[in-house]
Amino acid sequence: AQSVTQLDSQVPVFEEAPVELRCNYSSSVSVYLFWYVQYPNQGLQLLLKYLSGSTLVKGINGFEAEFNKSQTSFHLRKPSVHISDTAEYFCAVILTGGGNKLTFGTGTQLKVEL
Amino acid sequence: EAQVTQNPRYLITVTGKKLTVTCSQNMNHEYMSWYRQDPGLGLRQIYYSMNVEVTDKGDVPEGYKVSRKEKRNFPLILESPSPNQTSLYFCASRPTGLGNTIYFGEGSWLTVV
Repeated sequence: AQSVTQLDSQVPVFEEAPVELRCNYSSSVSVYLFWYVQYPNQGLQLLLKYLSGSTLVKGINGFEAEFNKSQTSFHLRKPSVHISDTAEYFCAVILTGGGNKLTFGTGTQLKVEL
Repeated sequence: EAQVTQNPRYLITVTGKKLTVTCSQNMNHEYMSWYRQDPGLGLRQIYYSMNVEVTDKGDVPEGYKVSRKEKRNFPLILESPSPNQTSLYFCASRPTGLGNTIYFGEGSWLTVV
């Protein structure tokens, strides 16, 4: 079975500063990886996903993530954050071989301050 | 507009009073799923459906029922709600294919007193 660990429950950062949200997964087989964002009082929407190919994935709103198979990580980064990036971010994983189970991490609350 | 629609968005109910949360998608997706979101626990899958008349348990199915009689609808039924089912619920759908994007509804806040 797969699992996802988001080590930081909250990350405060000043506007225009860079940010990295960490995600590690555990699986004995290959996986697809996702980052979702949840703005206050809204559902989740996809930021980016890794299926195969280049390990650096670019998503919406200037976010990117790098898949590192040896470290089983999929950290999310943005070089310069904006107040509007304040939201909760979820990393998720699904096994490529089937199972239909998308497993989410516990989420990281990103708070951007002036 | 492509969307997943849940109703009600907010509900306060009493212990033991049966309720149904409806979910409908207009994207002709085969796969639909229900999640609950609780502080510190992230999203946990309750039930999912691969297609009409095909449903299966997720991680936390106890106390819930689902049905999939039509492709577009996937209602979540709480036969006898209890306070530990107070949570934020999300319905989601995607096309067949594990790498496809999952689309979420806006959520239903349920409080059981």
